[in-house]
Amino acid sequence: EAGVTQSPTHLIKTRGQQATLRCSPISGHTSVYWYQQALGLGLQFLLWYDEGEERNRGNFPPRFSGRQFPNYSSELNVNALELEDSALYLCASTPEGGGTRTDTHYFGPGSRLT
Amino acid sequence: AQSVTQLDSHVSVSEGTPVLLRCNYSSSYSPSLFWYVQHPNKGLQLLLKYTSAATLVKGINGFEAEFKKSETSFHLTKPSAHMSDAAEYFCVVSDHLDSNYQLIWGAGTKLIIKP
Repeated sequence: EAGVTQSPTHLIKTRGQQATLRCSPISGHTSVYWYQQALGLGLQFLLWYDEGEERNRGNFPPRFSGRQFPNYSSELNVNALELEDSALYLCASTPEGGGTRTDTHYFGPGSRLT
Repeated sequence: AQSVTQLDSHVSVSEGTPVLLRCNYSSSYSPSLFWYVQHPNKGLQLLLKYTSAATLVKGINGFEAEFKKSETSFHLTKPSAHMSDAAEYFCVVSDHLDSNYQLIWGAGTKLIIKP
């Protein structure tokens, strides 16, 4: 069974530019979560998509946005990049449909944005 | 709101000695608790989870954790450390937000294994 995949592995941008990160969940998983992992910090919840809809978002500004496609893959867009956006962006999928107390997250390897 | 505190940012042990990674949480109801591990240049992987069944939870690679409600703790232990255990470990609690649950992550503990 293929795991969660993310692309690109690394992305280098200039302040003010836009970045697009992509995630493909495990086959059969409908929920996708996005997290930001800045250096030395734990994971910060960004966005949760399930069945093509945004279910919840973390405490991030609106320039962080995304979408989920009919095949359940997902895209994270970061507009007007700032220096503090440099981080590892992790995508996870869950088999339980997301939002449950016992969710197990299956993570991709991450995309490092510099 | 719930929170998770990992009491040590770094833990260093010798190979073959016991491992203890400490985690305390705050919760207003019965939580689900998790430990995830992140090996260098690899994705995060679930080690174990507590979901209100047995309070002593066994995970992969010989790790286990005990849920202690009175102490609001969920410490991770392993009897004998192996070099391959060197990684960053995250304690996580499931938080009820609006009508759904989200995971709240601790800041992580880096486990260093000395030969």
